[in-house]
Amino acid sequence: QVHLVQSGAEVKKPGASVKVSCKASGYSFTNYGITWVRQAPGEGLEWMGWISVYHGNTDYAQKFQGRVTMTTDTSTSTAYMELRSLRSDDTALYYCARHGGDGYYFDYWGQGTLVTVSS
Amino acid sequence: EIVLTQSPGTLSLSPGGRATLSCRASQSVSSNYLAWYQQKPGQAPRLLIYDTSSRATGIPDRFGGSGSGTDFTLTISRLEPEDFAVYYCQQYGRSPMFSFGQGTKLEIK
Repeated sequence: QVHLVQSGAEVKKPGASVKVSCKASGYSFTNYGITWVRQAPGEGLEWMGWISVYHGNTDYAQKFQGRVTMTTDTSTSTAYMELRSLRSDDTALYYCARHGGDGYYFDYWGQGTLVTVSS
Repeated sequence: EIVLTQSPGTLSLSPGGRATLSCRASQSVSSNYLAWYQQKPGQAPRLLIYDTSSRATGIPDRFGGSGSGTDFTLTISRLEPEDFAVYYCQQYGRSPMFSFGQGTKLEIK
């Protein structure tokens, strides 16, 4: 069965960077895109961007352009999301999710990684 | 930028009842690429409905989706205790490529 397992919680200081990993199993990693979504405490879901694992191209939400980089390592079936110049309002639960069959929705989700930004 | 607005913000119903959740888009959603997710406290979202009306694997038939253009609906008939959660709609196609509504909380009355 499909599993997405994310790296553990992180605590960072303002201005630092964080890199969250998402290891996939149970399917052909290169056949599906990976999207990243975050959720601030008590808030809704916010789409950050996605990566086509097969082609390697990315599309980021305008809000994060210049501050986020999404990559994959197909040898380990792992996706990564790096967010730089962290601010306190970046404190959130970060999820990776697999794109569904035709790519327009997210059918499997990781368990989430809590990133706390605090001085 | 396309904005999804969900209503109501909170819906209070009793088990066995029928829930109707609305998702309105500021512009027409491409090819009706509209999905719905359920999220329970402390859990990741779970896909319920994709392409407006197709149920995801393992989703019971009491969950149904409908709509087109800018107006979409998630209907849950015969509410079970496990259905009380937060529900999000999500669209594909317009800048940003993907976006979510702000959510509707379905609570027990």
